[in-house]
Amino acid sequence: DSGVTQTPKHLITATGQRVTLRCSPRSGDLSVYWYQQSLDQGLQFLIHYYNGEERAKGNILERFSAQQFPDLHSELNLSSLELGDSALYFCASSALQEANTEAFFGQGTRLTVV
Amino acid sequence: AQSVTQLGSHVSVSEGALVLLRCNYSSSVPPYLFWYVQYPNQGLQLLLKYTSAATLVKGINGFEAEFKKSETSFHLTKPSAHMSDAAEYFCAVSNGQGGKLIFGQGTELSVKP
Repeated sequence: DSGVTQTPKHLITATGQRVTLRCSPRSGDLSVYWYQQSLDQGLQFLIHYYNGEERAKGNILERFSAQQFPDLHSELNLSSLELGDSALYFCASSALQEANTEAFFGQGTRLTVV
Repeated sequence: AQSVTQLGSHVSVSEGALVLLRCNYSSSVPPYLFWYVQYPNQGLQLLLKYTSAATLVKGINGFEAEFKKSETSFHLTKPSAHMSDAAEYFCAVSNGQGGKLIFGQGTELSVKP
């Protein structure tokens, strides 16, 4: 158990809908990262938050947004969903925002868009 | 820009045989390099990381990796494969900006009895 909790584990929704994925980082970790894992794109970095502030953006679509709340949990919002958004979405947390800091991954949320 | 290339999307070895998973990186700055393992229906777990302290890095479960700057490589090895090593392995590089990871495409390791 990494200590990172993601909910829900599975999500099936229709095209055009909006969903929210939730991540609770390890106790005390200030950094939260979101990654998308798909068969064609592999593991792609989406966005990084540190202590409530956005620090870096990767290949995140404009239809996607995220935030980190004062209690440090984070949510990833996906809207106007398309079939191609079907993927495994991982959250990872780390204590700091340094490059050599180990990131701990949750078990992921598997999103299926039908 | 940084990138990682993993040679071989699928590697198959016999139980007890040497495991060698290849990773080459591209980085304009001294890199931080990582190997993660993903078991079916699980998240990623850190096996080991290189942060410039030593070129030979030992990790969990008997794995180790050697950083070779001249070859821009960070190959993962294990002397003797076990059935429980069957999983997908990801090499990653950190770009030094906030700790985000850039992953290779992954290598699926199969272990035959």
